[in-house]
Amino acid sequence: EVQLVESGGGLVQPGGSLRLSCAASGFAFSNYWMMWVRQAPGKGLECVANIKGDGSWKTYVDSVKGRFTISRDNAKNSLYLQMNSLRVEDTAIYYCARDGVAHARDYWGQGTLVTVSS
Amino acid sequence: QSALTQPASVSGSPGQSITISCTGTSSNVGAYDSVSWYQQHPGKAPKLIIFEVSNRPSGVSDRFSGSKSDNTASLTISGLQAEDEADYYCSSYTGIPTPYVFGTGTKVTVL
Repeated sequence: EVQLVESGGGLVQPGGSLRLSCAASGFAFSNYWMMWVRQAPGKGLECVANIKGDGSWKTYVDSVKGRFTISRDNAKNSLYLQMNSLRVEDTAIYYCARDGVAHARDYWGQGTLVTVSS
Repeated sequence: QSALTQPASVSGSPGQSITISCTGTSSNVGAYDSVSWYQQHPGKAPKLIIFEVSNRPSGVSDRFSGSKSDNTASLTISGLQAEDEADYYCSSYTGIPTPYVFGTGTKVTVL
């Protein structure tokens, strides 16, 4: 059974940093692109960053470029999101998702809440 | 890229059929068949219900169907049930550099 479990969310002040983790199991992790998708309170979904299976290619939405870094450790079946210089508008639930068949996000974690507030 | 456009809300009575539209551009929906749809119940993670325009993952009810014409994709829910009340999001592959865009989301209400 495919499982994605996020951790690392919490309350942080503007300008602060957080590192999110996503533990994957039940599939050949290194064979898949993975991504972070966020959802601000009461708002829609937004792909924040994604990373190729071997970690050689990464993309970011413009609003987080230069502040967020996506990475992965295939030996640990884990995905990460390092978030620096956090802003109030980064407040959201952050989901880890697998990029599966036909570029669809076929499995999602339960999400971890990041709150940026003073 | 700008979000794909969906109606904010759609409603229907049990047993009826409803259709949710998802309008993009020739750079996303019109360019690729990688259109997917997600169902999200309150407080829950999104769930994939349609991929590649019209394909259903294993375990998803055949009451859900998808289609696409030019720059607009559509999700139809047939035989509407109370459990279908949720938010629905479309998404399209957009190529490089940022490969995905989501729709604005549609709240489905079962009357």
